[in-house]
This record gives sequence, structure tokens and C-alpha cells, in this order.
Amino acid sequence: QLQLQESGPGLVKPSETLSLTCTVSGDSISSSSTYWGWIRQPPGKGLEWIGSVYSIGSTYYTPSLKSRVAIFVDTSKNHFSLRLTSVTAADTAVYYCVRGITIFGVAGIWFDPWGQGTLVTVSS
Amino acid sequence: QSVLTQPPSVSGAPGQRVTISCTGTRSNIGAGYDVHWYQQVPGTAPKLLIYGNNNRPSGVPDRFSGSQSGTSASLAITGLQAEDEADYYCQSYDSSLSAWVFGGGTKLTVL
Repeated sequence: QLQLQESGPGLVKPSETLSLTCTVSGDSISSSSTYWGWIRQPPGKGLEWIGSVYSIGSTYYTPSLKSRVAIFVDTSKNHFSLRLTSVTAADTAVYYCVRGITIFGVAGIWFDPWGQGTLVTVSS
Repeated sequence: QSVLTQPPSVSGAPGQRVTISCTGTRSNIGAGYDVHWYQQVPGTAPKLLIYGNNNRPSGVPDRFSGSQSGTSASLAITGLQAEDEADYYCQSYDSSLSAWVFGGGTKLTVL
């Protein structure tokens, strides 16, 4: 059974870089038709897709964060990572790592499973 | 403001049927992109409820069903139970944004 687990600092200073890692267990991160990604949820608010990466290359980022975000896969460690630069208080959120699955093309992706989430607070 | 519009809240008594709407535009649901639904119990991670408009993953009761028509989609829950009290989110793809988008979420209260 596939499981995802986020790890990383819970507190990041403004203007610094937020870095999180998602460890994948129960499946290979190189599986075909599989996209690995990140979704965040500010306290008391809704869900925001951040970005996704196909196991062997293509990356997709939400337009509002595209200039600050990078997602990359490490197949040797079976994990993938999120990097978000120049953070502000608006980036405070619970960050979830997710697997994206599709049958009929990348646009049809749905997200399952989700990691338990990790709260990242941006504060000095 | 979310690209997909959901009512902030719905409620129903145990045993009743409720529906949650998800309204989009011609660049997402109206373009034929699939709609997926998630359930989030407070304090926990979202869980996939419906994928591909009307398909239930293994383990999801058949009390939950999805439909899609035009620029909107709906999640129906029949035989409402106390354990169904949660937040529900719809999700699709938006071609004008080139991004996967969520609705703002709907809080279901079981009276």
C-alpha cells in the first residue's frame, strides 16, 4: 500500500527558502502514469495545488507560484522534494504531498493518496 | 477566490440526501475535464471520494455518487450519517490557467 510522508522544518523565516521532502513507500517513484506533487492549505482555508512532476521529467506549477517553486524527484532515494523561495507569511500552510494518477491524459489527474501533511509557519 | 465555486455550507438530518454543487466555466468543467471529489475530516488530510466524475475508489460507500453536466458537477450523499460531517472539495483542470484547481470547499453539517 502506497504511503507518503512529509518531512522538513516547521518554521521558516521570511525571505528564506522553504524545503520539504516526501518519502514514498510501497511503490517506486518511477512508476508510469504517476505524477508526484504538493498541495497546501492555509489555516482555516481551502486547498491550493502547488505543482506536480512526472516521474521522469515534466514539471507543472501553478501560475501564481511558478517563479518561486521547484519540485524535483530523487529516484535513488525514492523521494521527491519541494522548494519555495522568498517566503512570506502568506506561505504559512499545511503542506501535503500527493500522488497524481490519470488514465486518459495529464489533465485528468486526481490526487490519491495524500500524506498526513506538515504545518510550515513563516515567521521571524 | 476559487476557480470552482462551491456553497460554503450544507446540512441535513441523518438518513437524508444532500447534494453539493461545484460550478465552473468553459475552461474547466465545461471543457470536459473530469471532476474529482475529496472528503476532509477536520484535523486530517483530504481523502479521495470520487474520481473521473462518478467513480468510487475501493472502500468508499455507494452512498456517495458524483455527476457532471455542462459547466457544473455535483456530489450526492444519501442516507446521511454522523460520520459524513466533514469538508468536501471538488477538483478539476483549468486550461486557461494550465493548472489543477479546487473549489473553495463545502462544510457538511449533520444535524
